[in-house]
Amino acid sequence: GEDVEQSLFLSVREGDSSVINCTYTDSSSTYLYWYKQEPGAGLQLLTYIFSNMDMKQDQRLTVLLNKKDKHLSLRIADTQTGDSAIYFCAEISNTNAGKSTFGDGTTLTVKP
Amino acid sequence: DVKVTQSSRYLVKRTGEKVFLECVQDMDHENMFWYRQDPGLGLRLIYFSYDVKMKEKGDIPEGYSVSREKKERFSLILESASTNQTSMYLCASSQLGGDGYTFGSGTRLTVV
Repeated sequence: GEDVEQSLFLSVREGDSSVINCTYTDSSSTYLYWYKQEPGAGLQLLTYIFSNMDMKQDQRLTVLLNKKDKHLSLRIADTQTGDSAIYFCAEISNTNAGKSTFGDGTTLTVKP
Repeated sequence: DVKVTQSSRYLVKRTGEKVFLECVQDMDHENMFWYRQDPGLGLRLIYFSYDVKMKEKGDIPEGYSVSREKKERFSLILESASTNQTSMYLCASSQLGGDGYTFGSGTRLTVV
């Protein structure tokens, strides 16, 4: 079945850029998502990109999509301590009847 | 502000009890989902529903059932709670199309 993979941990210093990477297997993915989960809370949709786009920018967030390599990344510019959280990559496709496939999440730690 | 509301943030139940976890959304979304989240295991889909009175098994439905009598409400039922069902339970809803999921804040269930 479909699979989404992410590295488990990333640690950066405050003010640096963070890059969280994700790979997926479903070539018919139509949308790809990044969610953020703060401790003890549910997931919050951060941003998403349609599969016919290769980049989307939203303030400090930049999403890059390489559809050929099935690789998605989330870049957070000027990372702050408040960005410390778990970041989940997810995809959805027309073949999966509205269900998203989630990665296991990358825990981002921002050190002052 | 649109939202998904889970009735309890924390629950403690005894082994063998019947447990109801309630989820209500106010966005008129067709799709609703129940996940459990455990350290190191990511998000695992228990059940989902595309319409009223409709349900589909996810990846780990054993020991659970669901009810969707109204479009806005999706209930998860643990027929006879066991200690291995101690977990964080997350409800989500989505519209048809690619706008992503809206998650509730989660219910942390402890079965003793």
